[in-house]
Amino acid sequence: ELKVEQNPLFLSMQEGKNYTIYCNYSTTSDRLYWYRQDPGKSLESLFVLLSNGAVKQEGRLMASLDTKARLSTLHITAAVHDLSATYFCAVASYSGGGADGLTFGKGTHLIIQP
Amino acid sequence: DGGITQSPKYLFRKEGQNVTLSCEQNLNHDAMYWYRQDPGQGLRLIYYSQIVNDFQKGDIAEGYSVSREKKESFPLTVTSAQKNPTAFYLCASSITGGSIYGYTFGSGTRLTVV
Repeated sequence: ELKVEQNPLFLSMQEGKNYTIYCNYSTTSDRLYWYRQDPGKSLESLFVLLSNGAVKQEGRLMASLDTKARLSTLHITAAVHDLSATYFCAVASYSGGGADGLTFGKGTHLIIQP
Repeated sequence: DGGITQSPKYLFRKEGQNVTLSCEQNLNHDAMYWYRQDPGQGLRLIYYSQIVNDFQKGDIAEGYSVSREKKESFPLTVTSAQKNPTAFYLCASSITGGSIYGYTFGSGTRLTVV
């Protein structure tokens, strides 16, 4: 059974600081996704990581994937208040040649204070 | 514009009542998924379908049923057997065979038992 663990689950930080969210998963997969969710809203896709060593950056967010360690990180650089949200990582599972869906971590609730 | 439409946005269910949540997509995606989100939690997979007239149970299928008679539509019925249905329900779709482009999510239906 695929398990996905995120840490921390709650993070309060000041504007201008850097921080990293970690996502560990329990079985082999080469597809990892990061999503953002604002309160009461749906999920917004941030990054799709498809291979070992993949690194993607968008603005102040950078995500990486190490499939050997089964670890992905989401790094926040010089945080700003607008990045306050809940961030989820999710890992794809497969059987029979088709995607079976995503297994999600519990999410990291991020609050960025002025 | 292509996307996923979920309706209704809010739904209230009386004890012992079955209710159906609608999910329609015009992205020409083969695979569709239903997830449940409880407060402060990640998403959990209820059912998924990779092709018309076929679907599989996810991690928490008990008390739910689905159908996939058309490629565009994947309705979810919450039956009276689901003892704790109050949650946020999200529908998603993807290109079949796994998705290098990620998964597209609808805006969600918030179901409350009254």
